[in-house]
Amino acid sequence: GESVGLHLPTLSVQEGDNSIINCAYSNSASDYFIWYKQESGKGPQFIIDIRSNMDKRQGQRVTVLLNKTVKHLSLQIAATQPGDSAVYFCAENRDRGSTLGRLYFGRGTQLTVWP
Amino acid sequence: SAVISQKPSRDICQRGTSLTIQCQVDSQVTMMFWYRQQPGQSLTLIATANQGSEATYESGFVIDKFPISRPNLTFSTLTVSNMSPEDSSIYLCSVWGGPGSTDTQYFGPGTRLTVL
Repeated sequence: GESVGLHLPTLSVQEGDNSIINCAYSNSASDYFIWYKQESGKGPQFIIDIRSNMDKRQGQRVTVLLNKTVKHLSLQIAATQPGDSAVYFCAENRDRGSTLGRLYFGRGTQLTVWP
Repeated sequence: SAVISQKPSRDICQRGTSLTIQCQVDSQVTMMFWYRQQPGQSLTLIATANQGSEATYESGFVIDKFPISRPNLTFSTLTVSNMSPEDSSIYLCSVWGGPGSTDTQYFGPGTRLTVL
């Protein structure tokens, strides 16, 4: 299940299960959102993005849902694998209308996948 | 996607000293961004670096502590000045994708700094 640790919330799942990672963003004017995966000792790696004119976008094994009414993002990972174990961050672009804007990051969730 | 490298990858420094971190991108980009990631925490934007102008700092970060240079469109440096143990963090640079791919922001591998 999901719990809040000293630093990052954690989510533990069994290999093969689906994972859902949630994120609340703060600025209603944000128009672009990105999910990143960060493995230990590495920089954040792009997973999937979504613009504010959409409410759902699918990639390979991943889906992002955007609920602008409650300012909420979720990342769904299908058939979670041990290699998915990492910290996942959502980020919002608050420089509305600019594709070269600044990103502001959510708190992050530590996903652990058990074999 | 843009390929970003950073030097050094890690360092251990003494209190009161300064460290300059380099960021190199494989394509010309308009803006480069510097982030700090404290242990177990999320990423916090320090500043935006534009070529040919002074960097723009976020609230809580000042130029005297984190001077930034941006001499050309593929390179930037961040200096962490007069370091204290509270500066121990991972420092990351990022860019929006280069020509033909500006749709998302890519990150370097980070510089892991420990201040004793």
